[in-house]
Amino acid sequence: GQQVMQIPQYQHVQEGEDFTTYCNSSTTLSNIQWYKQRPGGHPVFLIQLVKSGEVKKQKRLTFQFGEAKKNSSLHITATQTTDVGTYFCAGRGSNDYKLSFGAGTTVTVRA
Amino acid sequence: NAGVTQTPKFQVLKTGQSMTLQCAQDMNHEYMSWYRQDPGMGLRLIHYSVGAGITDQGEVPNGYNVSRSTTEDFPLRLLSAAPSQTSVYFCASYSPTGTYGYTFGSGTRLTVV
Repeated sequence: GQQVMQIPQYQHVQEGEDFTTYCNSSTTLSNIQWYKQRPGGHPVFLIQLVKSGEVKKQKRLTFQFGEAKKNSSLHITATQTTDVGTYFCAGRGSNDYKLSFGAGTTVTVRA
Repeated sequence: NAGVTQTPKFQVLKTGQSMTLQCAQDMNHEYMSWYRQDPGMGLRLIHYSVGAGITDQGEVPNGYNVSRSTTEDFPLRLLSAAPSQTSVYFCASYSPTGTYGYTFGSGTRLTVV
């Protein structure tokens, strides 16, 4: 079955700095989704990417889907304390609705 | 409020006991799923359903049963609890015709002693 790998597992960031988390799939994906989970909370949907090479922005967050639709990245600029949490990517294969989640990147911010 | 409702929020079980985690959604989503979350392992799919009367296994189904008699409800049954089932359980729903991804419930924290 498809596997989704996400790196790094932890990201410690100075407030105001940028960082990127990466997601790679063993198979081609029909789409990739990103979720954020605050400490003690549940995953909340951020965005979905469908097209090869697609780039979407949400304020300071930039999401990319690779040309081969097997990898994705989330880049956060000027990190704020509100960015604390775990960011998950989740990929869907071509023939089903199941989502395979990466292990997540847990972000902590130093003020 | 529209969304996914999970009960209970917390539960402690003794080894060998059985219980049912409840999940209900009011968004008329066709697809529902159960995940467990363990530290460092992300979210692992237990069982899922693409519609009433249809269920299938995910990647970690052993020790769990599900049924989907209505569109709204998707309960997860632990048959004989084991300490390895100590985890946080999330129910999620999804509509393939929508663009909003999965909607997750607030989770059930289960401890098996």
